[in-house]
Amino acid sequence: KQEVTQIPAALSVPEGENLVLNCSFTDSAIYNLQWFRQDPGKGLTSLLLIQSSQREQTSGRLNASLDKSSGRSTLYIAASQPGDSATYLCAVAGRFGAGTRLTVKP
Amino acid sequence: GAVVSQHPSRVICKSGTSVKIECRSLDFQATTMFWYRQFPKQSLMLMATSNEGSKATYEQGVEKDKFLINHASLTLSTLTVTSAHPEDSSFYICSAAVGGVQETQYFGPGTRLLVL
Repeated sequence: KQEVTQIPAALSVPEGENLVLNCSFTDSAIYNLQWFRQDPGKGLTSLLLIQSSQREQTSGRLNASLDKSSGRSTLYIAASQPGDSATYLCAVAGRFGAGTRLTVKP
Repeated sequence: GAVVSQHPSRVICKSGTSVKIECRSLDFQATTMFWYRQFPKQSLMLMATSNEGSKATYEQGVEKDKFLINHASLTLSTLTVTSAHPEDSSFYICSAAVGGVQETQYFGPGTRLLVL
């Protein structure tokens, strides 16, 4: 059974800082990995989807990388803004990590 | 494209009643649908996976007689919480995929259930 772990559990940074969120998974035989954002009391917003054949995906200030062999993915957020404050979740084969709660201070 | 809807978005019911939540794929046919539950400040926990026309596969610890799942068509799955109790109060989210569990999932907006 696939297990997904995210670190750190929480992160607080000043506005403008670049940051990295980490996701690890136990079974490297994956088709894809998804990163989501969830605001308090809300549903999921899909951020990036990386296929197993890809190494990274970029969308605006977000960049996600995937290393299947090591069972890891990172989400890089450049020039963070207060509006980026949310919980970030990664998911593999229907399994979610516990998320990283990000706070960006003005 | 790839829009998934859920209805209702919010429901309040009395303890002992049953509540049905619908999950629809609006612009694609979903071979597989997934149901998740999320308690406050926790991540999403997969409850069950359903394939169109067959019985759902439940995760360990999820009572199949309490959480009835029906996936009668390629665009609709329903989750019925039977004899709901306050501890069933949670955020329920569905997702749909064209293929199986390894395929890209498209998530609904969620249903917030409050059992009084």
